[in-house]
Amino acid sequence: DTAVSQTPKYLVTQMGNDKSIKCEQNLGHDTMYWYKQDSKKFLKIMFSYNNKELIINETVPNRFSPKSPDKAHLNLHINSLELGDSAVYFCASSLLPGLNTGELFFGEGSRLTVL
Amino acid sequence: AQKVTQAQTEISVVEKEDVTLDCVYETRDTTYYLFWYKQPPSGELVFLIRRNSFDEQNEISGRYSWNFQKSTSSFNFTITASQVVDSAVYFCALVVNTGNQFYFGTGTSLTVIP
Repeated sequence: DTAVSQTPKYLVTQMGNDKSIKCEQNLGHDTMYWYKQDSKKFLKIMFSYNNKELIINETVPNRFSPKSPDKAHLNLHINSLELGDSAVYFCASSLLPGLNTGELFFGEGSRLTVL
Repeated sequence: AQKVTQAQTEISVVEKEDVTLDCVYETRDTTYYLFWYKQPPSGELVFLIRRNSFDEQNEISGRYSWNFQKSTSSFNFTITASQVVDSAVYFCALVVNTGNQFYFGTGTSLTVIP
């Protein structure tokens, strides 16, 4: 069973389109994250949710909107895609840091290419 | 504020050589956790180790070993007798007990040449 699964794995789209990436975890974790990895491999946190509540919202364009319908799901919707949005987006989950901090479990990543 | 520095951007070694990846962290918290992750060319992020701030014992797992030194705020990772399959980007990360996020270093790209 895949612990953290995200779909789609690859996404190629035109500038200006709107797209979504879905993420689900079956680990029973209460905290989920979206990370963006650029071409230089930097991992940058975008958002974090704990029990459906937004707890981290880094400086990200408001074209990016996360949605957490329940604590096992965290989806990422991107409006009006731009060339600079091309990256690999990783979903991850963990127990809430600070309470028996365990490791981050990552999904396989979703490679977004904006043409 | 928390920070993780991986000063080595890229390292190349010849197979069977030993290699050490450096990780230096900054935090004022006394309770924190350190991690290493591996990202092979296939792209997934693989957890390698977690260490809490109260446990300075070094750890060995096969060809991998980790040296945690609070005096120098370092958590270095050594691969002994490197193999081509060790080629990957390695990330060091920090979580503090009073915080709510993982702080990642910029990664070290290791290439093992056959």
